[in-house]
Amino acid sequence: NAGVTQTPKFQVLKTGQSMTLQCAQDMNHEYMSWYRQDPGMGLRLIHYSVGAGITDQGEVPNGYNVSRSTTEDFPLRLLSAAPSQTSVYFCASRKGSGTEAFFGQGTRLTVV
Amino acid sequence: AQTVTQSQPEMSVQEAETVTLSCTYDTSESDYYLFWYKQPPSRQMILVIRQEAYKQQNATENRFSVNFQKAAKSFSLKISDSQLGDAAMYFCAYRSGYGSSNTGKLIFGQGTTLQVKP
Repeated sequence: NAGVTQTPKFQVLKTGQSMTLQCAQDMNHEYMSWYRQDPGMGLRLIHYSVGAGITDQGEVPNGYNVSRSTTEDFPLRLLSAAPSQTSVYFCASRKGSGTEAFFGQGTRLTVV
Repeated sequence: AQTVTQSQPEMSVQEAETVTLSCTYDTSESDYYLFWYKQPPSRQMILVIRQEAYKQQNATENRFSVNFQKAAKSFSLKISDSQLGDAAMYFCAYRSGYGSSNTGKLIFGQGTTLQVKP
């Protein structure tokens, strides 16, 4: 059982480059979310989805896009990377009727 | 909007002793869930314990227990018989109940780094 899989685990980008962080879950969970973790700020919600075809903004959505074409996948796109987007990114999923959220192992992104 | 506050950036405890991590939250909702997550150096987010707001009884999971004070909006985590493997960052988190449109979101505190001394 793979759970929530994030790729890549580490990434270095130059300012202005674009990239996609991948997130896939094999538990048929309806809810999927992206968070960023910064020192002293905990985890903050970027975007979330309550099902295929449905996405919404979280607390810090600027500079990021998401789509949810399938139940399994929820990629996060950085349109034009900025140093302020240097962070650790987590994807999480949860069954609609469930309580517990399951997290991927995170992606450490550095923008230089 | 809901907020979660952890006012202790760092805590330390002697191995085998007990430590309590503090968390306060603010909400106008009556139906919600509270969680404590552990993040070891591996970066993995591990659920330690959860509490449903409608339950008066404090949740317990082995050496981990909570003191849930709903009126005071306080949700502290007690770790008994601390072990070296308990050293990690701990996050308190809030989620709305099923009747809310916010039910997909977890709101996290700033985190508390726990050091366990041998």
